[in-house]
Amino acid sequence: QVQLVQSGAEVKKPGSSVKVSCKASGGTFSSYAINWVRQAPGQGLEWMGRFISIFGTANYAQKFRGRVTFTADESTSTAFMDLSGLRSEDTAVYYCATDLTGNWDFDYWGQGTLVTVSS
Amino acid sequence: DIQMTQSPSSLSASVGDRVTITCRASESLLKYLNWYQQKPGKAPKLLIYAASSLQSGVPSRFRGSGSGTDFTLTISSLQPEDFATYYCQQSFTTPLTFGGGTKVEIK
Repeated sequence: QVQLVQSGAEVKKPGSSVKVSCKASGGTFSSYAINWVRQAPGQGLEWMGRFISIFGTANYAQKFRGRVTFTADESTSTAFMDLSGLRSEDTAVYYCATDLTGNWDFDYWGQGTLVTVSS
Repeated sequence: DIQMTQSPSSLSASVGDRVTITCRASESLLKYLNWYQQKPGKAPKLLIYAASSLQSGVPSRFRGSGSGTDFTLTISSLQPEDFATYYCQQSFTTPLTFGGGTKVEIK
């Protein structure tokens, strides 16, 4: 059983950056993938990419490559998603989600972090 | 990118009804297809993985089937707590992609 607790809501100006955290408890943090998925208001789900801290490797969706960075602090079992060059279309709820089995599915989810981009 | 198309986009049903949701992929996924349930204001929840395997703790009234490009999620007897939006997701290749969702509403 894994629990993921994300940081609180953010309001950002266009062109700025946001860093969302995702603290995990349970399981062996370094061994499983942490995925990032976002959902614009009233819209569907969009995968941004994933990070596995034991390998230090990230897999970014092409759409976000160059604007997003995934990192992790193993000492606190916390994953981070840093998104730069924010625009209004980035307004969304950002979720972290684990893939414990390596099936490229999302078995445990954080509660979500609302990022609002507005001038 | 693999395109995922769900149908219908919404449906109305009554408690006790049998409900079927379809997901079609733009290319073969073999059996790399997962289903999620999302309630308003909440994170999605994994129901079915690998097309037909029930995630631990998920009621047996949920059933997934299909392979290749065509998949189905069936709820055998709709319960009040099942009114939600359902998404399919392909795990065959990156970028991982989702269907547009099917909203199941109370008739």
